[in-house]
Amino acid sequence: GAGVSQSPRYKVTKRGQDVTLRCDPISSHATLYWYQQALGQGPEFLTYFNYEAQPDKSGLPSDRFSAERPEGSISTLTIQRTEQRDSAMYRCASSRDRAGDTQYFGPGTRLTVL
Amino acid sequence: SQQGEEDPQALSIQEGENATMNCSYKTSINNLQWYRQNSGRGLVHLILIRSNEREKHSGRLRVTLDTSKKSSSLLITASRAADTASYFCATDETGANNLFFGTGTRLTVIP
Repeated sequence: GAGVSQSPRYKVTKRGQDVTLRCDPISSHATLYWYQQALGQGPEFLTYFNYEAQPDKSGLPSDRFSAERPEGSISTLTIQRTEQRDSAMYRCASSRDRAGDTQYFGPGTRLTVL
Repeated sequence: SQQGEEDPQALSIQEGENATMNCSYKTSINNLQWYRQNSGRGLVHLILIRSNEREKHSGRLRVTLDTSKKSSSLLITASRAADTASYFCATDETGANNLFFGTGTRLTVIP
């Protein structure tokens, strides 16, 4: 596509529910990143994919967080048994190749856990 | 955790003035990038400077990099109200797989 898209843009859920966020990267981009951004802070790395491979999950805060990119394009980030501290903006970015390339960000999903 | 720290945290200037933001980081890098985030929107890439470069220009933007001091600065000349945003530096750390973002500088340009 022309840019990175994410859905939903806003998600409000109750504590304990599972949520799945979606990212559709730029079609020619091999690498896809997920970041978590708290209010007033910069984005913090969660995980990334190189096509469908997921070489680095080190930023995922707990085993409640998981991500997939089964066909090397669209990716989902799932948070199980959500907690209030999971409330944040979740940003997806893609780049042509590796981390040092320019990253193109989507608009983000604002998650609120009540 | 965040690698870079921006200074100042917030900056308010009059339209037409120049704005300077600084970024300090801790480890060796391949490159350093600056991004802008408008309120409620995504991050937009502004400029990338490689570790072997000292200065780079793009339109009204000027970026400097001092690897000996592990610091960078972003200068926006002749600021406009539309420049109001948060500005983040992000480092491509040697051996890492992702960018490390700083905490950001909130710039307000008063018309």
